[in-house]
Amino acid sequence: NAGVTQTPKFQVLKTGQSMTLQCAQDMNHNSMYWYRQDPGMGLRLIYYSASEGTTDKGEVPNGYNVSRLNKREFSLRLESAAPSQTSVYFCAGRWSASAPGYGYTFGSGTRLTVV
Amino acid sequence: QQPVQSPQAVILREGEDAVINCSSSKALYSVHWYRQKHGEAPVFLMILLKGGEQKGHDKISASFNEKKQQSSLYLTASQLSYSGTYFCGTEIWEYSGAGSYQLTFGKGTKLSVIP
Repeated sequence: NAGVTQTPKFQVLKTGQSMTLQCAQDMNHNSMYWYRQDPGMGLRLIYYSASEGTTDKGEVPNGYNVSRLNKREFSLRLESAAPSQTSVYFCAGRWSASAPGYGYTFGSGTRLTVV
Repeated sequence: QQPVQSPQAVILREGEDAVINCSSSKALYSVHWYRQKHGEAPVFLMILLKGGEQKGHDKISASFNEKKQQSSLYLTASQLSYSGTYFCGTEIWEYSGAGSYQLTFGKGTKLSVIP
């Protein structure tokens, strides 16, 4: 089924460990996004890729890096996890960041706990 | 800057109506509305573009007042399936890098529909 797929769904890390969250879409989206969701805070943008080969910081980029591997895949890396990074992470795609009028399609999320 | 949603929470009985408001201090290109059920990903409901008309499907509709930078989501004759958290997203043009449309989400409105 067409959509946005995230892996893993759940992860527990120890402080200081690193990990990569994977995201892949088969909807031919040009633009992809990483958000984090914390209770009462809504969805906050971490990084985005407006098109293949480009990445830019969002509202809360500190402690994260991203890679747009190809048009389909956009990964998020935590180099040295901290308890403040405990959150639910969502990957999303949209047709284009250069044209308004298109909704976002979200993946099912990764629930990350850093202890 | 994060849009402001109101109310933060609302409880309805089946068949009742509700209005959720979203306001921004910035000039907007569009407003998105999403619904998120507990433990799931946000799901796109609709988008209202600057200069566009009121939209809706089934018994959920929305309007966008460009002069006031405000949008409202209307849920009529609510059903149990309408329960969830509703997020508005306000879209502006971001001039950083090559430029792109950026979506910022509100903190959400939790809607509970009871029998």
